[in-house]
Amino acid sequence: GQNIDQPTEMTATEGAIVQINCTYQTSGFNGLFWYQQHAGEAPTFLSYNVLDGLEEKGRFSSFLSRSKGYSYLLLKELQMKDSASYLCAPWDSNYQLIWGAGTKLIIKP
Amino acid sequence: GAVVSQHPSWVICKSGTSVKIECRSLDFQATTMFWYRQFPKQSLMLMATSNEGSKATYEQGVEKDKFLINHASLTLSTLTVTSAHPEDSSFYICSAREAGVETGELFFGEGSRLTVL
Repeated sequence: GQNIDQPTEMTATEGAIVQINCTYQTSGFNGLFWYQQHAGEAPTFLSYNVLDGLEEKGRFSSFLSRSKGYSYLLLKELQMKDSASYLCAPWDSNYQLIWGAGTKLIIKP
Repeated sequence: GAVVSQHPSWVICKSGTSVKIECRSLDFQATTMFWYRQFPKQSLMLMATSNEGSKATYEQGVEKDKFLINHASLTLSTLTVTSAHPEDSSFYICSAREAGVETGELFFGEGSRLTVL
């Protein structure tokens, strides 16, 4: 079956770095998305990885290892506004997004 | 956790026909449901916010007469793509928020892939 595994919740301190891991099992693979979602709001796109390696975009970076079925989202210089849920969503062979439950990130001062 | 179900998962239709996609909250009541569209390798784009018992709120650039949304009950919202054309081919996904839950967490459906020939 298809499965996404992310930690349910993480806590980090303002100004620090945090890594959110995601492992996945899908029927085929066409890339992986990370979304950020603030409570009560629509998710916003953060990154898309289709090849192995690290994609950097400002304070956020996303890594993919297709052979390991593994991705992580790295957030640097954490700000209070980064408190949100982070959704890992791989794309299967049918181009269907497989959504995980997301990781709720809590930033403390 | 709460479950949101979409149907159909896949639909292929001819140009000019209308297609209805259902979004159901299976184990909770949802006063608000969101409809998104996603083209290949692009970000998820919010189309409209559906509120139970009232008219949907559409995002800028989304034609409300083309994408009809009905949220007649606390567990069901439907999106009807009217007079579909090939450019409407996309992945449509809904999400729902549980009524009375302060956290506002959104639960997503599996998505529906529409192909218009």
